[in-house]
Amino acid sequence: NAGVTQTPKFQVLKTGQSMTLQCAQDMNHNSMYWYRQDPGMGLRLIYYSASEGTTDKGEVPNGYNVSRLNKREFSLRLESAAPSQTSVYFCASSANRGHYGYTFGSGTRLTVV
Amino acid sequence: GENVEQHPSTLSVQEGDSAVIKCTYSDSASNYFPWYKQELGKGPQLIIDIRSNVGEKKDQRIAVTLNKTAKHFSLHITETQPEDSAVYFCAASQGDGTASKLTFGTGTRLQVTL
Repeated sequence: NAGVTQTPKFQVLKTGQSMTLQCAQDMNHNSMYWYRQDPGMGLRLIYYSASEGTTDKGEVPNGYNVSRLNKREFSLRLESAAPSQTSVYFCASSANRGHYGYTFGSGTRLTVV
Repeated sequence: GENVEQHPSTLSVQEGDSAVIKCTYSDSASNYFPWYKQELGKGPQLIIDIRSNVGEKKDQRIAVTLNKTAKHFSLHITETQPEDSAVYFCAASQGDGTASKLTFGTGTRLQVTL
């Protein structure tokens, strides 16, 4: 099983450009999440989707939008990238309903110049 | 919201020694506490977790303890090996019944020296 797949792995954007980070899981998990990881700040929740058809804001949602396309796919969009969005982005999924452990993807390293 | 503090930020131990990483949380309603290991260039991987109805859990060389009264939990690694070198994150769940939104600590970089 592939688990959680993120694309792309690396990306460089110019300030003001837009892009979409893709995430797909093949474990039939209900919930999916987007986190960003910055040095010394751990992982911070951007948005999450508790189940297909629902999305909710996390701790740091400003500047981002998400789409739960179907049960497998959860995308993160930056409409107008800013240098403050330079980070490593991780997608994760969980089965919930008593099984709370996350499975993470391998991350997308984004640099905004 | 939940706040998770993690200490120390870096930890260096000699191979064969034990390592202890400590976390505190603020939300008394949190009831799920996982630990993740992140190797360079990879995503975090779940290594052990504990729920609020249990005080201690062991898995080979790894153990986690939970003190709900004091709102702190700890990761213990015994007989450390070079492959234990990584960044470790603790987390606490403030789930709303349908999704386990995890709040993470800031991480501990563990280095196991020969």
